[in-house]
Amino acid sequence: AQSVAQPEDQVNVAEGNPLTVKCTYSVSGNPYLFWYVQYPNRGLQFLLKYITGDNLVKGSYGFEAEFNKSQTSFHLKKPSALVSDSALYFCAVRQGYGGSQGNLIFGKGTKLSVKP
Amino acid sequence: GAVVSQHPSRVICKSGTSVKIECRSLDFQATTMFWYRQFPKKSLMLMATSNEGSKATYEQGVEKDKFLINHASLTLSTLTVTSAHPEDSSFYICSAITWDRREYGYTFGSGTRLTVV
Repeated sequence: AQSVAQPEDQVNVAEGNPLTVKCTYSVSGNPYLFWYVQYPNRGLQFLLKYITGDNLVKGSYGFEAEFNKSQTSFHLKKPSALVSDSALYFCAVRQGYGGSQGNLIFGKGTKLSVKP
Repeated sequence: GAVVSQHPSRVICKSGTSVKIECRSLDFQATTMFWYRQFPKKSLMLMATSNEGSKATYEQGVEKDKFLINHASLTLSTLTVTSAHPEDSSFYICSAITWDRREYGYTFGSGTRLTVV
């Protein structure tokens, strides 16, 4: 069964410093991987995804993620953190494979706190 | 891009009453809608998958008679929490699969905070 793991409950970063939010996955077949951000009492906003192609994926708001097949990881990164990046971040993998239109399976979430 | 409009954003109801949550796809046809529940400081747990014109598929442990899902059209899916109890208080989010310029993805509603008193 597909699963994702986010090993950190919280990541603290100073504004202007680079940030990394970790994600590892377990899938059968080729993974469809996603990152979403959630602000309090709001839905999820899409940041980026990897389905195929270049391992380095660039997304919204300056975020990027690198798909690493050998390490089964898909860490989210940003070169310079902003206070406004403080939120809850979810890594997700699509359930199913091939042509199936499966739901997303989410990691437990990582709270990012960026201090001025 | 594709937008899913979810209403209401917040609702407070009394124990024993029913509450309906609506999710509308505004500029695309959502043949499949996923309903998630999120507990405080927790991840999203899939409750059920609804497909237009057919019965919803519920995840193990989710009471289908309590969480009624209707997906009668390609642009509207509803979740009705029947005979609500305080333990049903939670954040509910819907999500639809989207195809945007042959790009596959998921778009989410803004969520509904349900409080049962």
